[in-house]
Amino acid sequence: KNEVEQSPQNLTAQEGEFITINCSYSVGISALHWLQQHPGGGIVSLFMLSSGKKKHGRLIATINIQEKHSSLHITASHPRDSAVYICAVRVPGTYKYIFGTGTRLKVLA
Amino acid sequence: DAGVTQSPTHLIKTRGQQVTLRCSPKSGHDTVSWYQQALGQGPQFIFQYYEEEERQRGNFPDRFSGHQFPNYSSELNVNALLLGDSALYLCASSLRLTNSPLHFGNGTRLTVT
Repeated sequence: KNEVEQSPQNLTAQEGEFITINCSYSVGISALHWLQQHPGGGIVSLFMLSSGKKKHGRLIATINIQEKHSSLHITASHPRDSAVYICAVRVPGTYKYIFGTGTRLKVLA
Repeated sequence: DAGVTQSPTHLIKTRGQQVTLRCSPKSGHDTVSWYQQALGQGPQFIFQYYEEEERQRGNFPDRFSGHQFPNYSSELNVNALLLGDSALYLCASSLRLTNSPLHFGNGTRLTVT
């Protein structure tokens, strides 16, 4: 079992839909990142969380430390949101990150 | 303000050869980490460099080595290439002494034939 699990693995949505991507982890963490990877490989950091909730535009990220779970929400989804979304957790006392395998999102116009 | 830059963008090598990948961190960053991402998988941590030394290492064989220069740029070297080394190699930079976000380059896609 992977230390960082994401669900779903693949997601197809219609433009305008509300989208939720989940991340569960089994290790202690000092921080959690949500990352976006477009075809071609480049990765962009969307959020870094250690508690609570963060919002940026149409994106919202939440984390529940006790339940070892985080969610990434996209409101009013758009085809340009199509990408792979990756959850990564930072191991405490280190600078090492453990990554999930990603959720491949496709938003149809 | 330049972000993280990696070179080359694509590379094709033959089994047994050696390869060097390069990374320049985001301006102001002093720490560089390298990751290997196989097709359809999440990135796997290779190692991290700070103050020109390898500070932490993931589960990769000694064929994978690196270097950091005084200007904080870094190289990843892979010797005796195997077919299984074919992957996207990502460099990420950060500021060590803060819980700062990671900034990634666009990666180098290595194909071993």
